[in-house]
Amino acid sequence: AQSVTQPDIHITVSEGASLELRCNYSYGATPYLFWYVQSPGQGLQLLLKYFSGDTLVQGIKGFEAEFKRSQSSFNLRKPSVHWSDAAEYFCAVGISNFGNEKLTFGTGTRLTIIP
Amino acid sequence: KAGVTQTPRYLIKTRGQQVTLSCSPISGHRSVSWYQQTPGQGLQFLFEYFSETQRNKGNFPGRFSGRQFSNSRSEMNVSTLELGDSALYLCASLPAPWGEETQYFGPGTRLLVL
Repeated sequence: AQSVTQPDIHITVSEGASLELRCNYSYGATPYLFWYVQSPGQGLQLLLKYFSGDTLVQGIKGFEAEFKRSQSSFNLRKPSVHWSDAAEYFCAVGISNFGNEKLTFGTGTRLTIIP
Repeated sequence: KAGVTQTPRYLIKTRGQQVTLSCSPISGHRSVSWYQQTPGQGLQFLFEYFSETQRNKGNFPGRFSGRQFSNSRSEMNVSTLELGDSALYLCASLPAPWGEETQYFGPGTRLLVL
C-alpha cells in the first residue's frame, strides 16, 4: 500500500533562516504530490503540487519543492522564513484508480518560528 | 469564486447520537471527498462522491456514510457516535476525479463527542 513519511514531527527555525521539510513516499508509479499547510483550527491550504514535467515546482508564499524520483522524495523548501509561516505542514500523495479524489497524507511537521 | 464551505463549524454531541455534516463544493466542482483528522490517526480518507455516486471508500465502519446531491453538495452522517469520533472533519472538492486536478479543502467541522 502507498504511504507518506514526514520524519520530522516538529521543527524550530529562526525568522529569516532557511527551511527544508522532508517528505518521502512509497508507491509503485509516479504519484501526484502535494504540500498543504494548516494553521490552528483551519482547513488545509495548498502550497504547491507536482504532476509531471519540471521536477522543481514553485508555490505560494515563496515555497518551492523538488521531486526526486531516485530518492522517492518531495522536500519543501523556503529560503527565508517569516513568523507567519508557523503552522503545520502536510505532504500528500494522490493515488486512485482514476485521479486525485483520494489523498494519502503524511503525519505532518509542525513548524515553530523563533525571533 | 467562493471556496468550499462546511456547516456547521462546531458541533457537540453525546455518545449514541447521530450527526450530519454538510459540504458545499466550489462552483463547478463535481467531486467531493471527506477526511477525518485526529491527533492520533492524522488525516484519513473517508469517502468520495462524484455524480451522486460513492466511488471510493476508506477503511471506516459502516456508521460513517454519506451522499451527494444533484447540485454536488454533499453530506456525511455518523450514527451511534463514539468518543473516538471526536475529530475535525474536512471536505475537499475538485472539478472531476481524474486527470491533474487538485483538491481544495474547506475549513472543517469540529465534532466533539461527550
